[in-house]
Amino acid sequence: EEQLVESGGGLVQPGGSLRLSCAASGFTFSSYWMHWVRQAPGKGLVWVSRITGDGSGATYADSVKGRFTISRDNAKNTLYLEMNSLSAEDTAVYYCARDLHLWRRDVWGKGTTVIVSS
Amino acid sequence: QSALTQPASVSGSPGQTITLPCTGTSSDVGGYNYVSWYQQHPGKAPKLLIYEVSYRPSGVSNRFSGSKSGNTASLTISGLQADDEGDYYCSSFTSSHTGVFGTGTKVTVL
Repeated sequence: EEQLVESGGGLVQPGGSLRLSCAASGFTFSSYWMHWVRQAPGKGLVWVSRITGDGSGATYADSVKGRFTISRDNAKNTLYLEMNSLSAEDTAVYYCARDLHLWRRDVWGKGTTVIVSS
Repeated sequence: QSALTQPASVSGSPGQTITLPCTGTSSDVGGYNYVSWYQQHPGKAPKLLIYEVSYRPSGVSNRFSGSKSGNTASLTISGLQADDEGDYYCSSFTSSHTGVFGTGTKVTVL
């Protein structure tokens, strides 16, 4: 079964850093682009970032550019999101998703919660 | 990277057909056929319903269909059922090679 499991969320102070992980199983991880999508409490989905299958290319939403870094370790079947200079506006559930083809995100994890608060 | 525009809520009775619009610009919805739709139930992860404007993944009911005209994409749900209640989001690729989601529509079955 194709599965994504996020981890690494938690409570962090404003200005702090956090690294999220997304462990993939049941499919050839390196063959697919991957995305991070977040959802603030009671709000809608917001696209955050995506990375190519070999990790050579990435794009970011303007709201996180320069603060967040997406990466992957295909040997470990794991996707990462390094988050720096966090603010309250980054509080959200963070989902990772597989891109089957041409921005078709067909497999999603259950999400990990990040709370930025003092 | 402004969010695509969706109505906040749409409602219908069981068995009815409803249409959810999603309005963007020529830099996203109007410029590419990489529009997808997602259903989200409370506390759950999103589920892919439609990709590339009008294609349904295997396992998704044929009661869900998608279309696009100009800068507006639409999701139509026919034969509305109680389980269709939830939030629906459109999404598009953009000219900046980024992604964008819609503001979301809450569907209520009366």
